[in-house]
Amino acid sequence: EVQLVESGGGLVQPGGSLRLSCSASGFTFSSYAMHWVRQAPGKGLEYVSAISSNGGSTYYADSVKGRFTISRDNSKNTLYLQMSSLRAEDTAVYYCVKESSSSSWYGMDVWGQGTTVTVSS
Amino acid sequence: QSALTQPASVSGSPGQSITISCTGTSSDVGSYNLVSWYQQHPGKAPKLMIYEVSKRPSGVSNRFSGSKSGNTASLTISGLQAEDEADYYCCSYAGSSTFRVFGTGTKVTVL
Repeated sequence: EVQLVESGGGLVQPGGSLRLSCSASGFTFSSYAMHWVRQAPGKGLEYVSAISSNGGSTYYADSVKGRFTISRDNSKNTLYLQMSSLRAEDTAVYYCVKESSSSSWYGMDVWGQGTTVTVSS
Repeated sequence: QSALTQPASVSGSPGQSITISCTGTSSDVGSYNLVSWYQQHPGKAPKLMIYEVSKRPSGVSNRFSGSKSGNTASLTISGLQAEDEADYYCCSYAGSSTFRVFGTGTKVTVL
């Protein structure tokens, strides 16, 4: 079964840091780009970051650029999101998501259950 | 990175068909046939329903169909069922700088 399991969420003070992890199983992790998508409470989906299958290319939304770093360890089938200088507006459920194709940006076909990040003093 | 525009809500009776629009620009929806649609039930993770504008992943009902004209993509749900009541989001590839952008989301209510 294809599965993504996020961890690392929690309560952090403004200006603090947190690292999210996503453990992948059931597919060849190293063949697919991966993404982070977040959803603030009661709000819509927001695209956060992407990383290519070999980790050589990354993308960040303007809202997190310079503060978040996406990375992956293909030997451990794990995706990461290092978040720093956290703000109240970063409070959200963070989803780890798999790209559906190894060759293009067709869509995102597997989503984790999400991990909640709360930024508050 | 402006969000794609969707109607806030759409409703229909069981058995009817409804269509959700997703309006972008010539930089995203209009430039790429890489629009996808996601269904999200309350408290659950989103689920891919349509990719590449009109293709259905294995296991998704053929009551769901997608299309695109110019800068607007659409999701049609035919034979509306109670289980279709959920939030729906479109998403488009938008080039190497903006990358991807989601729609504002549409709440579908089955009357």
